[in-house]
Amino acid sequence: QKEVEQNSGPLSVPEGAIASLNCTYSDRVSQSFFWYRQYSGKSPELIMSIYSNGDKEDGRFTAQLNKASQYVSLLIRDSQPSDSATYLCAVDSNYQLIWGAGTKLIIKP
Amino acid sequence: DTEVTQTPKHLVMGMTNKKSLKCEQHMGHRAMYWYKQKAKKPPELMFVYSYEKLSINESVPSRFSPECPNSSLLNLHLHALQPEDSALYLCASSQDQGLNTEAFFGQGTRLTVV
Repeated sequence: QKEVEQNSGPLSVPEGAIASLNCTYSDRVSQSFFWYRQYSGKSPELIMSIYSNGDKEDGRFTAQLNKASQYVSLLIRDSQPSDSATYLCAVDSNYQLIWGAGTKLIIKP
Repeated sequence: DTEVTQTPKHLVMGMTNKKSLKCEQHMGHRAMYWYKQKAKKPPELMFVYSYEKLSINESVPSRFSPECPNSSLLNLHLHALQPEDSALYLCASSQDQGLNTEAFFGQGTRLTVV
């Protein structure tokens, strides 16, 4: 059974600080990794995808991938109250997305 | 444009009703998905269509019946549902089912079965 693990939180971060979200996965051959943001009652929104080891930056977001250690992380710089949401990690396994349970992030003004 | 449109946004149906959920995308994507999501849980894959053919059916009860009339449209026909089927139903699409393809979600249909 392929698994993706996330800390459910809530993770509380002061406004303006860096939020760090982590995800580990079990399928060693996974090649594609995604972070989705989901506001309460809304649908998931893709915010980052990463396919190669290392860092990928997009605005205030940085995704980090380490395939040897089987973890992927998301950093959010200069956190804003509007970043408060559940962040879902999704990993491609055999042409299907395996989802983590999500981490609830709360940004405190 | 990364828009996937789902209708209706909300649906309340009785256990003897028949209803359909609709999904449309105009991004030229060839893979389309139905997911079910319960509160505080991740999305749960139900069906995948690839090039208009059903490629994955995750052992979903027959009271859920998917249909892909063409490459832009995806329907989910509902019949004789149970109250535990109440959930957010999400449609998604991606360029194809291969590696490194990003999936984009519609806004979902909030279904309540009474």
